Amino acid sequence: DIQMTQSPATLSASVGDRVTITCRASQSISSWLAWYQQKPGTAPKLLIYRASTLESGVPSRFSGSRSGTEFTLTISSLQPDDFATYYCQQYNSYPYTFGQGTKLEIK
Amino acid sequence: QITLKESGPTLVKPTQTLTLTCTLSGFSLSTSGVGVGWIRQPPGKALEWLALIYWDDDKRYSPSLQSRLTITKDTSENQVVLTMTNMDPVDTGTYYCAHATYASSGYDAFDIWGQGTMVSVSS
Repeated sequence: DIQMTQSPATLSASVGDRVTITCRASQSISSWLAWYQQKPGTAPKLLIYRASTLESGVPSRFSGSRSGTEFTLTISSLQPDDFATYYCQQYNSYPYTFGQGTKLEIK
Repeated sequence: QITLKESGPTLVKPTQTLTLTCTLSGFSLSTSGVGVGWIRQPPGKALEWLALIYWDDDKRYSPSLQSRLTITKDTSENQVVLTMTNMDPVDTGTYYCAHATYASSGYDAFDIWGQGTMVSVSS
């Protein structure tokens, strides 16, 4: 199985901050990487797919990038609605695997 | 508008078999290039992918759970059914179904999710 190592586990930030979440794959997954946002009691929401493609309707302050097997989700200027838990997921090969999640908290 | 909705029991006893149904709306699994997956999430923990079924009846399972899982589709009812045998308290969590479509060179991420259904395993 491909392991997805996500960091940090928790991130404290303020409105307006620029934040970065990282996900490292244990082997090559090309660009088959998605980022999801999940708020308490709700289903995950797709933000970015194929490492850097913004899902329709997602604000442009969200962006994704890839460098080899390291993937980054960046929020350029945090908004109150962005405080949530974020997951990465590889879908390059079965079994699909998720990162352990990053909880973004208000500082 | 594409939607998915999970349904099934909220409580099952250990060793019982869980049957969950995902009812699809706005799309059909008889359409080329469509897939539906199941993902679960124990309380307070991360997401775990369980299984996927494609329009052509190709099926994929998590190796760690493969012996306990069966995924099927009923195109006439526009539903996907997941069964999990020999349920244990560690299987407690929210179970989601989600939609995926074929991109240029492979199936893409889960773009639309159901609301999820909470399943507790307890005697």
